[in-house]
Amino acid sequence: GAGVSQTPSNKVTEKGKYVELRCDPISGHTALYWYRQSLGQGPEFLIYFQGTGAADDSGLPNDRFFAVRPEGSVSTLKIQRTERGDSAVYLCASSFPGQGPFRELFFGEGSRLTVL
Amino acid sequence: KNQVEQSPQSLIILEGKNCTLQCNYTVSPFSNLRWYKQDTGRGPVSLTIMTFSENTKSNGRYTATLDADTKQSSLHITASQLSDSASYICVVSPQDGSYIPTFGRGTSLIVHP
Repeated sequence: GAGVSQTPSNKVTEKGKYVELRCDPISGHTALYWYRQSLGQGPEFLIYFQGTGAADDSGLPNDRFFAVRPEGSVSTLKIQRTERGDSAVYLCASSFPGQGPFRELFFGEGSRLTVL
Repeated sequence: KNQVEQSPQSLIILEGKNCTLQCNYTVSPFSNLRWYKQDTGRGPVSLTIMTFSENTKSNGRYTATLDADTKQSSLHITASQLSDSASYICVVSPQDGSYIPTFGRGTSLIVHP
């Protein structure tokens, strides 16, 4: 597709359940980022992939959160034992290879997670 | 700790009026600063990028300024339109090889007819 695609667009789950959120980046973009955005807040960094490996996962809040990108394209953010505080919009962004710190992040429309 | 502060938190203006949004940052070493526009229910989209040597850059009715000495940036919107209603997020990238930009909380702009 032409842009970053995220599925599902909306997910409602119960406290304690397991959730997977998927991100399909723009073709050819080797860098992939996950962010979490709460209402009225800016995006909060979670994890950054360069290719298949997690180059920086310092933003993951705890060990209930995990993300993979096994083939260097699609990424899945996994949340175990969900809590009500996990409710937020989870944004995925990708960028062209190279460009260093000047890279522009192209965002998907996000997956809105609601934990009841 | 790298931080990006934006003001005001929210702003309401009438269509056709101008407005200026502010961004202060402590990101160091500094590489560049971007302003993103985020429409409700959408992901952010980049409007402009400013590097250390640039003071002013325009993109249509949007004009961004940067003072790297005082670590301040502004985004000026001229002749506002209803479609300008959105959140405007200031994002600063470091020159430290981390490739992790720091996002501000955004300014929510509402343009009324």
